[in-house]
Formats: sequence, structure tokens, C-alpha cells
Amino acid sequence: SAVISQKPSRDICQRGTSLTIQCQVDSQVTMMFWYRQQPGQSLTLIATANQGSEATYESGFVIDKFPISRPNLTFSTLTVSNMSPEDSSIYLCSVELVRQTQYFGPGTRLLVL
Amino acid sequence: RKEVEQDPGPFNVPEGATVAFNCTYSNSASQSFFWYRQDCRKEPKLLMSVYSSGNEDGRFTAQLNRASQYISLLIRDSKLSDSATYLCVVNEGYSTLTFGKGTMLLVSP
Repeated sequence: SAVISQKPSRDICQRGTSLTIQCQVDSQVTMMFWYRQQPGQSLTLIATANQGSEATYESGFVIDKFPISRPNLTFSTLTVSNMSPEDSSIYLCSVELVRQTQYFGPGTRLLVL
Repeated sequence: RKEVEQDPGPFNVPEGATVAFNCTYSNSASQSFFWYRQDCRKEPKLLMSVYSSGNEDGRFTAQLNRASQYISLLIRDSKLSDSATYLCVVNEGYSTLTFGKGTMLLVSP
């Protein structure tokens, strides 16, 4: 496995503002992903963070709302833009270490007021 | 639409009991299968991969039936520390994971 960290671990934000979440892994990985887990729900993939190119977004998620950066093979950021209370959720990054097996960061708990 | 269905539970069992969870998936082209465990307010952690031949890791046994599109997890000799939500996860290919909503297990003394 790998050591995956996320910052911040939690935040409370006002609607209309934006929050950038960081994900750092202690080894170089090709595939990094961003998920959302809404209260009482399972995980939903937001996008795949591609190094050196634009992220690949899943249906229902757009770059303007969730811009993603992937400047190198150990780091990625997800920004939640123009937040509303519906964005209150846990945001998790994951990495693929061995083929088709993903490991998750500890998550960022976001509450939007 | 690709779906992974699980009984949400909760399953309440005494220590030492054997408990089985089931999961069905809709995409017959799914490539790989996993069970993850998620403790309250924590991230999902990989419990085990699931292979067609079945696989065992200590008290945990996972089975896959591709023909029926069915995955199972058996936990023997349940411990208090097994209390968690168990997520059935299917890889659709291209590293795309689809998660079930999870089955909650509560093991009581």
C-alpha cells in the first residue's frame, strides 16, 4: 500500500466560496482519482486526475464546478467551486497501486453553510 | 446504468457467529471485484479482492459467480472489531470503480 494524505481533513465553508483539497501520496502513481461520499451514501467517482492533461470527468460532474490539477505523479488537488449546502460531503482521493486496485486517502469532510 | 446492489442491513450478530453478505452487479463486462471495509467516519480500506476460484484470507472468504453476477463475503468467528460497513466494489474497466451502498455489520458481545 501507500501513505496517502489529504488536507484539510475537514472544513466549514460559507456558500459561494471555493475550497481546494490537496492529496499527496508517498510514491509515484499513474492513476489518481477523486470521489465524493454524501451523507449515508456510498462513493461516487467525480473524475480521474491525469498527469499532464485535463482530468476526465464522470457524468454529472464538470470542470467548472470541480477543477482538478495533477502537476506530478504524487500530488493532486480538487477544488469545489461556488459551494452550496448540497456540496456538503466527504471528498476522497484514491490511487491505483496495482492493477485495478485502489487505495483511499483519509478524506476531507466539508460542511457548507 | 451500471449498478451494484447490496442488502443494507444492519446485520446484528453475536461474537463468534458466521455471517454472509451478498452482492449483485449489473454489468456483465465487469473485470474485477473487491470487498472494502469502511469504519464510521473513516475511508474505505481494501479487505480483499474476489476471484472466480474463490479466495480466503483468515476468517474471510470471498466468492464470485460470473454467470449469476453475484459476489459473496463470508466472515467466520465474528469479532467485535469486525463491526463496520462492508462495500462491494466492481471495476468496470479503465479503473472505473462502482460501489455498492454497503452492508452494515454490528457484532455484539
